[in-house]
Amino acid sequence: DAGVIQSPRHEVTEMGQEVTLRCKPISGHNSLFWYRQTMMRGLELLIYFNNNVPIDDSGMPEDRFSAKMPNASFSTLKIQPSEPRDSAVYFCASSTGTGRGYTFGSGTRLTVV
Amino acid sequence: GESVGLHLPTLSVQEGDNSIINCAYSNSASDYFIWYKQESGKGPQFIIDIRSNMDKRQGQRVTVLLNKTVKHLSLQIAATQPGDSAVYFCAENRGNNNDMRFGAGTRLTVKP
Repeated sequence: DAGVIQSPRHEVTEMGQEVTLRCKPISGHNSLFWYRQTMMRGLELLIYFNNNVPIDDSGMPEDRFSAKMPNASFSTLKIQPSEPRDSAVYFCASSTGTGRGYTFGSGTRLTVV
Repeated sequence: GESVGLHLPTLSVQEGDNSIINCAYSNSASDYFIWYKQESGKGPQFIIDIRSNMDKRQGQRVTVLLNKTVKHLSLQIAATQPGDSAVYFCAENRGNNNDMRFGAGTRLTVKP
């Protein structure tokens, strides 16, 4: 099992550009989560999906952020337009359901200059 | 200027000693808890979990204690090793939904 796979590992972009982060969850996991980690706020839940359906997006900071899960094996987190304060490590995690531990990906370190 | 950010609690122990990392959770309805370990440059890694119907659970070199009365969770690491150096997070599952909320974390440093 390759685990949760995120790409890219590192992304440097200019302010105003669109950024797309990608995640492939573990096969058979029906829940997927996007987290953001910063020194200021720690680990924050942005949005999560159950069976490809967004359940709670209350953690998405603003309309510039959007997430999709077109199928059980792929999800994207898009920021458009990006701003320097979006710089963070973005983690994707998946699990088999309620009351189960998550498996995290290695994260995408985003730097917006 | 002064940098503002999370000031992680830190714990420094000598190799071979036991470590105890503490966590207070906020929601009395939380019924599932997990400890995660995060090494530099990596994602959080599952260590051990416990459900609210238990007050203690043991793994290999690790023990989690849950005190629901005071909403407190602890992680005990026996015979701490340099490889245990990392940031440790507790996480709580709030009720029937499927999202977990993470604490601020504690940085453990093991001195050889």
